[in-house]
Amino acid sequence: DTGVSQNPRHKITKRGQNVTFRCDPISEHNRLYWYRQTLGQGPEFLTYFQNEAQLEKSRLLSDRFSAERPKGSFSTLEIQRTEQGDSAMYLCASSFPGDRAVSGELFFGEGSRLTVL
Amino acid sequence: DQQVKQNSPSLSVQEGRISILNCDYTNSMFDYFLWYKKYPAEGPTFLISISSIKDKNEDGRFTVFLNKSAKHLSLRIVPSQPGDSAVYFCAAITANTDKLIFGTGTRLQVFP
Repeated sequence: DTGVSQNPRHKITKRGQNVTFRCDPISEHNRLYWYRQTLGQGPEFLTYFQNEAQLEKSRLLSDRFSAERPKGSFSTLEIQRTEQGDSAMYLCASSFPGDRAVSGELFFGEGSRLTVL
Repeated sequence: DQQVKQNSPSLSVQEGRISILNCDYTNSMFDYFLWYKKYPAEGPTFLISISSIKDKNEDGRFTVFLNKSAKHLSLRIVPSQPGDSAVYFCAAITANTDKLIFGTGTRLQVFP
């Protein structure tokens, strides 16, 4: 399977604990995105990387959230001191910037669902 | 500020008939629009897109229409099939950013 891979698929944690999610993008894609989706809402942009550089962060990404992509390949999203409001599906996507004709087409993983008790 | 809006949370259509999903946007700087489909327990998958310089793009059973003056986007599926049952998200992007802004989604159910 050469699609976007996310781990773990589901994480249950207690409030105040730290959690980390991993995303492995499609290998030839140099852009990697993190989105968050809550029930009844569309995916909300959190941050994105081009290679190892983090180019943009949403104001939704509080200081408790940090994302890295150290070698320009896989990425991690860490949430410190989790709160119940952090419960959501965390989606990773990748893309390869090229012809504007396919601009915006992202390839999503299956997501990592976080439940904070 | 919801820049991309899908005001119909759900739509039910009989198999073989036409499905039309609607989307409105507020940001006139959007220059590219996309539709994604999402099945349960899966990530969204790209369906079809349209540039702001066009008013229609067709791909098989799927056609996207863009009315820039009304800031309105629609997706037509004809004929609808049970396998089309999913949540459909419209999304938009501006030329100077690389982030998609998604609507809240419309759940389409195609029944036999």
